[in-house]
Amino acid sequence: DVVMTQTPVSLSVSLGNQASISCRSSQSLLHSDGNTYLSWYLQKPGQSPQLLIYLASNRFSGVSNRFSGSGSGTDFTLKISRVEPEDLGVYYCFQHTHLPYTFGAGTKLELK
Amino acid sequence: QVTLKESGPGILQPSQTLSLTCTFSGFSLSTYGMGVGWIRQPSGKGLEWLANIWWDDDKYYNPSLKNRLTISKDTSNNQAFLKITNVDTADTATYYCARIDLPDYFDYWGQGVMVTVSS
Repeated sequence: DVVMTQTPVSLSVSLGNQASISCRSSQSLLHSDGNTYLSWYLQKPGQSPQLLIYLASNRFSGVSNRFSGSGSGTDFTLKISRVEPEDLGVYYCFQHTHLPYTFGAGTKLELK
Repeated sequence: QVTLKESGPGILQPSQTLSLTCTFSGFSLSTYGMGVGWIRQPSGKGLEWLANIWWDDDKYYNPSLKNRLTISKDTSNNQAFLKITNVDTADTATYYCARIDLPDYFDYWGQGVMVTVSS
């Protein structure tokens, strides 16, 4: 199985500052069809996860442009600029290139 | 407007079969590129992908559950189903269904249904 390693486990950020979360996969997520099937989700307290980024760097419809995804191969990053209170929660990366599909363990974004 | 809602038994005993239903609206599982997936989350823990079913009835499973999973759909009634046989306390979790509308993956989620396995 592809292991998705997220760092840090938790992140304390002041409002208005930038946050950066890393996700590394144990195998390249580049599919034979040329796509990289890496998504990012945010799970706010008491809520279901919500899609932020798909195909590593594409913002889902309605997602703030303060969220950006980058990376390729095995190294991926989610950046959140100008953190707002509504950004707090647990962030998960997820790969659906290789079966079984796997999530990272999550990164909890908290206020400093 | 896309909505999904999971339903299940709430509580069941070890060795029983867990049957979950995902009732959705705002899309059709007969449309090209559409799919529904099931994901679970034990309390206070992370997410685990379980299975996907696609518009063409293609199905994918997480082999870690050792052939205990069966996913199916009823396109006419806008429902997807997941069965887990021979449940154990380790299957206690909140179960989510989520839509796939390629290339968006799990773009809409249900509210989740809590399932407890206890004797």
